[in-house]
Amino acid sequence: SSELTQDPAVSVALGQTVRITCQGDSLRSYYASWYQQKPGQAPVLVIYGKNNRPSGIPDRFSGSSSGNTASLTITGAQAEDEADYYCNSRDSSGNPYWVFGGGTKLTVL
Amino acid sequence: EVQLVESGGGLVQPGRSLRLSCAASGFTFDDYAMHWVRQAPGKGLEWVSGISWNSGSIGYADSVKGRFTISRDNAKNSLYLQMNSLRAEDTALYYCAKELRFLEWLGWFDPWGQGTLVTVSS
Repeated sequence: SSELTQDPAVSVALGQTVRITCQGDSLRSYYASWYQQKPGQAPVLVIYGKNNRPSGIPDRFSGSSSGNTASLTITGAQAEDEADYYCNSRDSSGNPYWVFGGGTKLTVL
Repeated sequence: EVQLVESGGGLVQPGRSLRLSCAASGFTFDDYAMHWVRQAPGKGLEWVSGISWNSGSIGYADSVKGRFTISRDNAKNSLYLQMNSLRAEDTALYYCAKELRFLEWLGWFDPWGQGTLVTVSS
């Protein structure tokens, strides 16, 4: 089965731009989706497909992909963006099997 | 408003069984694939299993294959996870999640329920 690799922790100054990355072979075939999880809360989808945001997600969140790497970019990070972020992708086999990255803890300084 | 409410969690001994349920409302349940995702205490997310809108396609993580069975009852707007031969490593908060788009099987999970806690311990 596929694996997705994320940096365990990233920090950003308030109002600055941060990129959270996710690497894995399956990303050559499938787009990643990205989830935000705050302490004690269920995850929330923030990016899906090529670069789509569900309704209610601020436009400072964007996604991109190149080769085996997907990225979530937050442009002008806010204090409320401090959270864990997880990428997810379908297994490269194409079977109904999905994998999450290990998660990145974002700290807004 | 879409609502997903999980139930059925609890404390269970290793080797025993448990059945989780997810009651769905606020959308046409039989038009959407559904998934179970779990999170061990202090750990990351792990996809467990998914089922298409008509139960025609089902998938399992390697860690639960052969022990867990996903099913759905579209007449009751409900998703289930039968968990057999439970192990300590199955201890986690189990979330039910809806596929974002109807009649698609893309693994875009939106929204999620609040989860039900399963603790496997003697």
